[in-house]
Amino acid sequence: ETGVTQSPTHLIKTRGQQVTLRCSSQSGHNTVSWYQQALGQGPQFIFQYYREEENGRGNFPPRFSGLQFPNYSSELNVNALELDDSALYLCASSLQQGYNSPLHFGNGTRLTVT
Amino acid sequence: GNSVTQMEGPVTLSEEAFLTINCTYTATGYPSLFWYVQYPGEGLQLLLKATKADDKGSNKGFEATYRKETTSFHLEKGSVQVSDSAVYFCALRGDGNNRKLIWGLGTSLAVNP
Repeated sequence: ETGVTQSPTHLIKTRGQQVTLRCSSQSGHNTVSWYQQALGQGPQFIFQYYREEENGRGNFPPRFSGLQFPNYSSELNVNALELDDSALYLCASSLQQGYNSPLHFGNGTRLTVT
Repeated sequence: GNSVTQMEGPVTLSEEAFLTINCTYTATGYPSLFWYVQYPGEGLQLLLKATKADDKGSNKGFEATYRKETTSFHLEKGSVQVSDSAVYFCALRGDGNNRKLIWGLGTSLAVNP
């Protein structure tokens, strides 16, 4: 089975710009969540999508937004980039919404904002 | 709210040494507990999990037991290898439909030959 894939792997943007990160979930998985991992820190939950609707959100401002498509792939959009947005962005998918289903992570997108 | 506290690193061990990484949690209800591992340059991988009290998760020689009385989920391995060098994260998920994981800060492990 195909695992979770994220693109691009690395990205450099300038403060104030906008960025879109992409995630293809593992085959058959209908739930996708996004995390931000700053250097040397644990991941911070951004939001989660289940069957194309956002159904959970962490403590991130509205300039962080997302989409989930009918094939369950997902995008993370960040507007008006700030220097502190520099981080590894991780996407995770799972088979169902039940809390026992494990998350499968992609390798992440390393975003650098200058 | 829910939270996870894990021991600070870095932890440096010699090959074949015994490993313990402590993890304690605060949560209401009946959370599930996880250990994830992140190898250099890679994403997070589920190492093991436990979904109820007294459950023992195990994988690749690593073990952790869900102790509700001490609110702990310590990671152990009897004999570490150089290939175990990575960052280890303890995480918790509450007993609801939101799949949000609460993470510890991670513990870096370096195993020397």
